[in-house]
Amino acid sequence: AIRMTQSPSSFSASTGDRVTITCRASQGISSYLAWYQQKPGKAPKLLIYAASTLQSGVPSRFSGSGSGTDFTLTISCLQSEDFATYYCQQYYSYPFFGGGTKVEIK
Amino acid sequence: QVQLVQSGAEVKKPGSSVKVSCKASGGTFSSYAISWVRQAPGQGLEWMGGIIPIFGTANYAQKFQGRVTITADESTSTAYMELSSLRSEDTAVYYCARSLGYCSSTSCLYYFDYWGQGTLVTVSS
Repeated sequence: AIRMTQSPSSFSASTGDRVTITCRASQGISSYLAWYQQKPGKAPKLLIYAASTLQSGVPSRFSGSGSGTDFTLTISCLQSEDFATYYCQQYYSYPFFGGGTKVEIK
Repeated sequence: QVQLVQSGAEVKKPGSSVKVSCKASGGTFSSYAISWVRQAPGQGLEWMGGIIPIFGTANYAQKFQGRVTITADESTSTAYMELSSLRSEDTAVYYCARSLGYCSSTSCLYYFDYWGQGTLVTVSS
């Protein structure tokens, strides 16, 4: 299986901050990467697919980049509703999710 | 708007089976794959398998091969996931999700755009 490693596993930030989450694949996955946001007690929500394509309805402050093995999710100006856990997922072979990054309020 | 509505919470004994349903509305059920993804308490997400209703053939993650069965009923736009030989480690929230992409004989290139609300399955003696 192609495994995904996210970093950091958690961090604190303030509203208005620019934040970046990193995801690394154990082998090259081209651009077959998606990002999800999950809030407590809720199902995940698709933010980005194909590494950098914004899902319809997702605010433009979210962006994704990368290809091959290294990927990033950036939130340009953190809003209160963005405090959540974020997961990357490769779909180059069988779907496999990263371990998650929890973004907490500083 | 696509909606996936899952059946309610279950409490099961070790060694038994559980069957969770996922009813779709608002889209073309048969032509999209439906996957099942689970999340143990405080843990990450794990894909279990998926099915394209129009073809009726399911693909499974190796970890769950032989223990999970995914089916779909086109007449009711409902997908099902049955997990057998339950153990305490199977305690989790189980999600169904509409899956974009495709499966071949050796891989499933799925990502997930619509999700059900989740079904908590508790395995306890």
